[in-house]
Amino acid sequence: KNEVEQSPQNLTAQEGEFITINCSYSVGISALHWLQQHPGGGIVSLFMLSSGKKKHGRLIATINIQEKHSSLHITASHPRDSAVYICAVSRTDKLIFGTGTRLQVFP
Amino acid sequence: NAGVTQTPKFQVLKTGQSMTLQCAQDMNHNSMYWYRQDPGMGLRLIYYSASEGTTDKGEVPNGYNVSRLNKREFSLRLESAAPSQTSVYFCASYGLAGVRELFFGEGSRLTVL
Repeated sequence: KNEVEQSPQNLTAQEGEFITINCSYSVGISALHWLQQHPGGGIVSLFMLSSGKKKHGRLIATINIQEKHSSLHITASHPRDSAVYICAVSRTDKLIFGTGTRLQVFP
Repeated sequence: NAGVTQTPKFQVLKTGQSMTLQCAQDMNHNSMYWYRQDPGMGLRLIYYSASEGTTDKGEVPNGYNVSRLNKREFSLRLESAAPSQTSVYFCASYGLAGVRELFFGEGSRLTVL
């Protein structure tokens, strides 16, 4: 079993829909990261969480340390949100990645 | 601008050739990483370096060597390239002190014929 599990693996949505991507982990962590990778593109860090909730524009990330679970929400989704979203957890200096969620948003 | 710089962005090699991927960060981060990304496989750790002068194997180290030249630079070397090493390679750096920042290079697309 992977130490970091993401769901769903693939997600399609219509423009304007509310989207949730989930990440569960089985190890103790010091922080959790949400990353975004556009097709053929580089990887960008969206959020780093160690507790609670963060918001940046239409993106919201939450983490529940007790339940070892995090969610990434996208409000009012747009075709430009189409990308792979990757959850990663850090344990001191080690990073463990989920396999990613591929999101496609159609106009 | 702060960030991670990776070179080259593209490279085509013949089987058996050698090459070095260069990575440099200017954020004074201690930890640096090399990952490879293959279709459907996610990011797999090749090697990482927790601090200057130290390196450790990751999930898929065979066929690779690394060197942490100084705090800024972390290079990945393929001594004798194989077609199985065709992949996109990403360097990352991570700061633990204060704000935990995670940055990736733009990626290096390597094809081994």
